Formats: sequence, C-alpha cells, structure tokens
Amino acid sequence: AAGVIQSPRHLIKEKRETATLKCYPIPRHDTVYWYQQGPGQDPQFLISFYEKMQSDKGSIPDRFSAQQFSDYHSELNMSSLELGDSALYFCASSLLAGVNTGELFFGEGSRLTVL
Amino acid sequence: DQQVKQNSPSLSVQEGRISILNCDYTNSMFDYFLWYKKYPAEGPTFLISISSIKDKNEDGRFTVFLNKSAKHLSLHIVPSQPGDSAVYFCAAIVARNTPLVFGKGTRLSVIA
Repeated sequence: AAGVIQSPRHLIKEKRETATLKCYPIPRHDTVYWYQQGPGQDPQFLISFYEKMQSDKGSIPDRFSAQQFSDYHSELNMSSLELGDSALYFCASSLLAGVNTGELFFGEGSRLTVL
Repeated sequence: DQQVKQNSPSLSVQEGRISILNCDYTNSMFDYFLWYKKYPAEGPTFLISISSIKDKNEDGRFTVFLNKSAKHLSLHIVPSQPGDSAVYFCAAIVARNTPLVFGKGTRLSVIA
C-alpha cells in the first residue's frame, strides 16, 4: 500500500540558506501535518493543512512557511536557516474521518543538517 | 511546558517478559491517547490508542491502561520480543482534528 512519501530524505545546507521539503500524503488523505524532531527531543508540531487550507499552527518559526497544493502534496519552505534547524522533519497524513482518534500515518522523515 | 511526559528515556527487558512503558500527562482536556512505535530511519507508526472514556484497550500482545485520576497511562507488551525493540512515543489529542502532542519517547530494548 502507498505510504507517505517525503523528499529529500537527507539535505545538507549552510547557515542562511533556504531549503524546501516535500510531502506526498497517502492517496485520498485530506490532512497533512508537519513535525520537527530535534536530537533527543520529542516531535514538535509545526503546522497542518486540511483541504489545502491551514488548519492548525504550532511552533513554526516565522522563517518557515508551508502550503498544501491542489494535488494535496505539501511543501515546507525554510529560509535563513540556522544551526538549530538541524532536525528530522516528519510529514504525516490522515483522512479527516479518522482523525478523531488521532491516528496519523507518518513518512520516513527528511533529515536536514545545517552547517 | 511538556504536556505529555515519558520520564524513562530507556528500558531493557528480557525476551518473553513483560515490558511496561509509562506516560504522564498534564492536560485534562486530552480526549484520546496513542502509542506510536519508531524504528531507526523510519517514521513513527501507530500502535494502539485509547479513548479517555475507557481505562483499558487490548490488541494482541499490546495493552494500554489509562488512569485518568492520576493522569497516567501505560503500555504493556507481553510477551516481549526482540522485534519490539524500538522507540515508543506516547501521544495525545485534545479533540477531533487537532495535532498530536508527543512525549519524548522511551527506547525499549528487548534482549534475547
């Protein structure tokens, strides 16, 4: 069965550069979530989209932006990268009908390293 | 402020024995609690959940217990198997269609 696809899997950038992460949800899933997990930390919620509209916003820095496109894929854009942005970025998707139980399907993550 | 707390960063258990992973929370508005399992280089995968109106949910070798008065839940794995070795995240949601709030995770090692 198709899972959540994230690209790239690994990305190395330098400070002050920009980076874009992509997420392709499971087909027919209408909700996408972005999480950031720093080393030794719990996954922190960044932002979510339902039907291409932002539905919730968490601890996403102003330097970051995200959107969900008409084909339901989502992109997380990060600018003026800082060393502290080095983390594993997870995308998760769900179908609204299933979200009342909290079950999300996660991608394998994109590891960003900022040098 | 950490709303979901997993105070044990790691746990080692002998194969065949019971593994008990604990989780505490502070937000009494949480509606559902979930456990996710994560292997290295993979995303978290859903394991089991429990509604706040229940105190126990069982699925095969996995059982989750919820004690609302103590704001505590636990995941029991019995018998533990080497393939259960992973990081286990406790998570919770306040209401339908809201983001998951995760704990920091507990690394379980099941020793053969």
